[in-house]
Amino acid sequence: DTGVSQDPRHKITKRGQNVTFRCDPISEHNRLYWYRQTLGQGPEFLTYFQNEAQLEKSRLLSDRFSAERPKGSFSTLEIQRTEQGDSAMYLCASSSLGRVPMRGAFFGQGTRLTVV
Amino acid sequence: ELKVEQNPLFLSMQEGKNYTIYCNYSTTSDRLYWYRQDPGKSLESLFVLLSNGAVKQEGRLMASLDTKARLSTLHITAAVHDLSATYFCAVDGEETSGSRLTFGEGTQLTVNP
Repeated sequence: DTGVSQDPRHKITKRGQNVTFRCDPISEHNRLYWYRQTLGQGPEFLTYFQNEAQLEKSRLLSDRFSAERPKGSFSTLEIQRTEQGDSAMYLCASSSLGRVPMRGAFFGQGTRLTVV
Repeated sequence: ELKVEQNPLFLSMQEGKNYTIYCNYSTTSDRLYWYRQDPGKSLESLFVLLSNGAVKQEGRLMASLDTKARLSTLHITAAVHDLSATYFCAVDGEETSGSRLTFGEGTQLTVNP
């Protein structure tokens, strides 16, 4: 396992279209996180899953955003009716519950979304 | 609401010099993380600090945590060009332990020959 994998790496879409991103976490990790990062800023938390359960959602996550993690493995993040303000890097991260961390959560390479 | 502030936001330094990046946070916290991000890349975990007085070192980087002052520092010793990157601190707030990180704005470090 080479780490957290995200697909696609880049997405350009027209305003109003729907987009879906996929994240494959490190296989033994039961926690999965989605963050959003805009240029010059630190990542902002969007939501997280423990196994298949979505346990927390940020106020940043409007009704147009939905995330799933069926079977507690990969996750998808869908944005409906995209807006220009949705343009950002969407980062996925994973970690293990119950283990004292020697490192922080492992982040994927991200999906860069551009809404035109 | 948990807030994390870093300073400086931009740092340009010469190779061989020492410098410190500061990270202040607004509430009690279980854990403090430092990450590195190269341009266009994802985040790489550098350190996790778990208790007051914790100190971690790897290569030319050393991180410390003072939970009473709600302050972490990332000290750079004898900087080299390869350290040029953006460094983020992140806090795992007590209320959200293990669930989410709140990141600072990042410190963009440029090491000049």
